[in-house]
Amino acid sequence: SQQGEEDPQALSIQEGENATMNCSYKTSINNLQWYRQNSGRGLVHLILIRSNEREKHSGRLRVTLDTSKKSSSLLITASRAADTASYFCATDPNTGGFKTIFGAGTRLFVKA
Amino acid sequence: EAQVTQNPRYLITVTGKKLTVTCSQNMNHEYMSWYRQDPGLGLRQIYYSMNVEVTDKGDVPEGYKVSRKEKRNFPLILESPSPNQTSLYFCASSTSPGQGRDYGYTFGSGTRLTVV
Repeated sequence: SQQGEEDPQALSIQEGENATMNCSYKTSINNLQWYRQNSGRGLVHLILIRSNEREKHSGRLRVTLDTSKKSSSLLITASRAADTASYFCATDPNTGGFKTIFGAGTRLFVKA
Repeated sequence: EAQVTQNPRYLITVTGKKLTVTCSQNMNHEYMSWYRQDPGLGLRQIYYSMNVEVTDKGDVPEGYKVSRKEKRNFPLILESPSPNQTSLYFCASSTSPGQGRDYGYTFGSGTRLTVV
């Protein structure tokens, strides 16, 4: 079962613009993470936000979490061509186990 | 360098021929997991392990086996591969989730498997 679903599936922007990606999930969670994947390579962890947090920052990244709507957003400010990648949200459902579930991802293309 | 090492990177095999994809991490992580990635489906968890000798099924365990005899190694075994197991496979490790500290998975570089 797919817990997280990212929106949009693909996003194309100009360098310097902000990029916003959204993630919705179905069950209650312990935390939500965002990862980046460059084409065909391993995923790289970007940031983790806990269920009791509403917003978190890391460099040019800003993540928000709304547990009442079961949704999260990832904002990349002042995007660069090097930000071109796929971005995935991942959730740890609050089910007593530790099964991290990934969404299908948003493909971001930043044009120079 | 802290890393997760998968081997091989590429593998072409025939239906029914048993194979093992190795995964090793040098970070003393308790938690290890295998995922497969297919176009449009994201990453789906195959098996995970909370610690040595502790493994559990993910969402798509059929046709796969794993073992965790040592903390650093978590091999993925396909006893009788079939074409529908053609995919990109990732191993990942982490400090134990749920212990009240921030964590994130470290992923290997992936193994692209083709079963003909």
